[in-house]
Amino acid sequence: ETGVTQTPRHLVMGMTNKKSLKCEQHLGHNAMYWYKQSAKKPLELMFVYSLEERVENNSVPSRFSPECPNSSHLFLHLHTLQPEDSALYLCASSQELGAGGTEAFFGQGTRLTVV
Amino acid sequence: GQNIDQPTEMTATEGAIVQINCTYQTSGFNGLFWYQQHAGEAPTFLSYNVLDGLEEKGRFSSFLSRSKGYSYLLLKELQMKDSASYLCAVMDSNYQLIWGAGTKLIIKP
Repeated sequence: ETGVTQTPRHLVMGMTNKKSLKCEQHLGHNAMYWYKQSAKKPLELMFVYSLEERVENNSVPSRFSPECPNSSHLFLHLHTLQPEDSALYLCASSQELGAGGTEAFFGQGTRLTVV
Repeated sequence: GQNIDQPTEMTATEGAIVQINCTYQTSGFNGLFWYQQHAGEAPTFLSYNVLDGLEEKGRFSSFLSRSKGYSYLLLKELQMKDSASYLCAVMDSNYQLIWGAGTKLIIKP
């Protein structure tokens, strides 16, 4: 248990569906992240939030839409996805943004399959 | 561009020692992290190096040479539970983590 909880753990969705991934942390951290992890590829940073404000959007397609209603919760809204979006989506948090040595705590991820 | 290189897969024997290498080219350097990720689970923090030298933590040690852009993770007295992927990540000048693709470590009895 890392203190970061993601739901659901597994999700299968059609290309026309709309779904949301949820992430929750009660570590008192100020920064939260969404990563995409594909097999044998480096973790890809998608979005970064610091104190509930988005500070990074790494050229992610608009079919992925993040939301951070408060410092403990982070959502990733999905719509009209493509099969190549199938991957493990990891949420992480850290004490603060922009500080060296600040380790990230990861959730167990949502395994997404787009059919 | 920024790049982190580490071997894709390594095999070692229970009780032995294994060294997983990581080389990096990044815009700036604010430290290097090693994470462990068991299949289907969250990556968990193992170590952080920002100065040259060896950091020891139980059976695991991590080494850094900033001039060579090189780090390694050393695992001693290997146990079956050490079978996992090991991720190397460098924090660049913008305090963003740049990740390697991970090294899958297979431990055989």
